[in-house]
Amino acid sequence: SQTIHQWPATLVQPVGSPLSLECTVEGTSNPNLYWYRQAAGRGLQLLFYSVGIGQISSEVPQNLSASRPQDRQFILSSKKLLLSDSGFYLCAWAITGDTQYFGPGTRLTVL
Amino acid sequence: GESVGLHLPTLSVQEGDNSIINCAYSNSASDYFIWYKQESGKGPQFIIDIRSNMDKRQGQRVTVLLNKTVKHLSLQIAATQPGDSAVYFCAENGVGYSTLTFGKGTMLLVSP
Repeated sequence: SQTIHQWPATLVQPVGSPLSLECTVEGTSNPNLYWYRQAAGRGLQLLFYSVGIGQISSEVPQNLSASRPQDRQFILSSKKLLLSDSGFYLCAWAITGDTQYFGPGTRLTVL
Repeated sequence: GESVGLHLPTLSVQEGDNSIINCAYSNSASDYFIWYKQESGKGPQFIIDIRSNMDKRQGQRVTVLLNKTVKHLSLQIAATQPGDSAVYFCAENGVGYSTLTFGKGTMLLVSP
């Protein structure tokens, strides 16, 4: 069966510091991978998605970037965090045209 | 642009009642729809899906209905339990079928 991991689970960072969130998937090959952000009590905002190694599509221009160094690894980064980067970050995987499955999420607080 | 929306932001029911959560979509080209359940502090969990060649699909205590004529999707939960309390999102497949468009979510509150 497939599993998806995210770490860290929670993170508190000062404004201006760098960020690296990691997502890995097990039990499947060549999945589509997604990064979402969710503000408190709000819906899901798609940030980036990838249909293959080295292929990244950005949905929202912002302070963040994404990379996919391996088939089942997806990384979300920032060089300098802003207060507005706070939120709940979710990674998901899917086979094209099928259901997306979400990880447990990372709660990021920027102070 | 195209979007998926929900009629009711909060739904309060008594334990044992049946719950119905509604969703309107605007992209007539969408052919795949999903319902997710999200508990506080957790990632969304897949509940049930339906493709546009079907009108109804049933799972364990849940039923999804699709009305393509009026572009309406609903999730029915039978004998609602306190553990069903969560935010429910509908989603539809987007352009190119690599992404999903999510609705804003409905909070379901179940009282014992």
